[in-house]
Amino acid sequence: EAGVTQSPTHLIKTRGQQATLRCSPISGHTSVYWYQQALGLGLQFLLWYDEGEERNRGNFPPRFSGRQFPNYSSELNVNALELEDSALYLCASSLVTSGLYNEQFFGPGTRLTVL
Amino acid sequence: SQQGEEDPQALSIQEGENATMNCSYKTSINNLQWYRQNSGRGLVHLILIRSNEREKHSGRLRVTLDTSKKSSSLLITASRAADTASYFCATLHSGYSTLTFGKGTMLLVSP
Repeated sequence: EAGVTQSPTHLIKTRGQQATLRCSPISGHTSVYWYQQALGLGLQFLLWYDEGEERNRGNFPPRFSGRQFPNYSSELNVNALELEDSALYLCASSLVTSGLYNEQFFGPGTRLTVL
Repeated sequence: SQQGEEDPQALSIQEGENATMNCSYKTSINNLQWYRQNSGRGLVHLILIRSNEREKHSGRLRVTLDTSKKSSSLLITASRAADTASYFCATLHSGYSTLTFGKGTMLLVSP
């Protein structure tokens, strides 16, 4: 069974540009989560999509947005890039979203560098 | 903040020794999970312990949960160089459906 995949592996942008990151969940998983892992800050929750809807978002500005497609894959868009957006962006998927069990399976991440 | 905190921030041991990492959190949880991350790559789920469980084992891993102290520990027995990684605890808090991660413990196991 294929795991969570993310593309691209690395992305280099300049300040003010837009970045688009993509994630394909494990087959059958309906929930997709996005996290930002900046150096020294641990994982910060960004967005949660389930069944095509945004269910929750973390404490990030509106220039961080995304969507989930009918096949449950997801896209994270970051507009007006700033230097501090440089980080590893991790996508995770899960099957159960009842609140009792929420084991998440992570992709390898996209390393975004903003120059 | 509900964020869990791991302790210590970094741990260096020799192969064969046991490694213990601790996690504390602030509000009531549904479950607590431990993840492992190698060299800034994706996280791998290790073990999940529910709020009504006190101890769980998986291979060389032993996790305990003390909800009265709002803390958990991860014990890796007979460590190997391949266990070198960062270890994160993540909590699923009551009333929420997303995980909150701590900043992690960096474990270095020397041959």
